[in-house]
Formats: sequence, structure tokens, C-alpha cells
Amino acid sequence: QKEVEQDPGPLSVPEGAIVSLNCTYSNSAFQYFMWYRQYSRKGPELLMYTYSSGNKEDGRFTAQVDKSSKYISLFIRDSQPSDSATYLCAMRTGANSKLTFGKGITLSVRP
Amino acid sequence: DGGITQSPKYLFRKEGQNVTLSCEQNLNHDAMYWYRQDPGQGLRLIYYSQIVNDFQKGDIAEGYSVSREKKESFPLTVTSAQKNPTAFYLCASSIDLGLRGTHNEQFFGPGTRLTVL
Repeated sequence: QKEVEQDPGPLSVPEGAIVSLNCTYSNSAFQYFMWYRQYSRKGPELLMYTYSSGNKEDGRFTAQVDKSSKYISLFIRDSQPSDSATYLCAMRTGANSKLTFGKGITLSVRP
Repeated sequence: DGGITQSPKYLFRKEGQNVTLSCEQNLNHDAMYWYRQDPGQGLRLIYYSQIVNDFQKGDIAEGYSVSREKKESFPLTVTSAQKNPTAFYLCASSIDLGLRGTHNEQFFGPGTRLTVL
């Protein structure tokens, strides 16, 4: 079993839809959880960061962590064509900054 | 402008050749990283460096080498020993390694796409 599993996609939704992106993990030592957005042929950029369990909201984006289920989610409300990108979940333990990434899911938002 | 630059953007290599990918940052970050990304794969850590003149192997270091002679620079050499080097290579940096248990964001460069002919 891989340490981090991410829904494979690709995912295509109409503009305005609510999008749910998910990752599961097996290492209970992970404490820091991140979502990166990567546009085609570009480097990833940090979108959301959450420490431990709970929800964090930033505009149209909500990151959710459920440590008891080892499950994290990113919700995108009122999705826009500019949200079309690959989304990577990543996580790390508290000991160092070695990030473990999911494979990424490519999202396409149709106008 | 502060940030991370990588060059070249595209690189072609013949089999048996060594090539060096450049990574420069002006963010005054101590820690730097090299990742490899393959289609449908997440990022995999090749090497990382906490401080000048020090670096550690990541998960897939075989066939790669690095140096860290200056704080701003962390070049990656893909050697002929790397069996499948065609990939997208990403450099990143962060303030430090987060050894104090604090989160610190990794900032990524724009990447170099390496193709072996």
C-alpha cells in the first residue's frame, strides 16, 4: 500500500460545480497536510495548508483533514475554468520537511 | 523579483551523456530540494540540502548527483547511470528543513523538462 493514495482522475466538471478532491494515507505520523495546484508545464504552488485535524477555508477553497480516518479533502466551490489544473496532495511528519505527495488529479472545468 | 529560477526549460540529452540542471533562488532560503515528476506520478524526492556544503539523498538518488557550494545554487547532474532520465525536474526551496517542528512552505521553480534521445 502506498503511503498516500489520491483519486486518479481525470475529472471534468461544468463551471459553477462543487468539486471534491480526496487523498487517503497510511502513515499516522503525518501532521501537516497540503494541497498544491500545478498548471500545465509549471511548478506546483501551495494552495492550502492544514495542521492536524479540522477544516480550513480560504475563499472558494476548503481543506478538510480527518486524522482518525486518515483522509483529507479539498473542496472547490463555484468552480471556474481558471481552476483547471492538476491538484496534488502532500503531507509530512513534524520531524522534517520531506514531503510525501499523492499522484495528483487533473481537473478540467468546462465553461 | 524574489523566486526560484531553473534553466534550461527544455533539455535534450543523448544516451550516455551527463547533463546538469541549474537551480537558483534569491529567497535567502537555507533548504533546497530536487524532485522528479513523471506522468501520472507524484513528485519524488531526489536530493535535498539543509545548508551549504551539505546534502542528503532522497528516495530516488541513484544516477543523480548534486552540489551545494553556494546558498543560492543547487545544481543537479543527471548521470549516464540514470536508466530512465526522461522526466520533469522540479527544484524547490524553503526557509529551513522545519526541524523545529514548524511548517515551512516549499516554493517551487518552473521546472526543466529533460528528454533522452
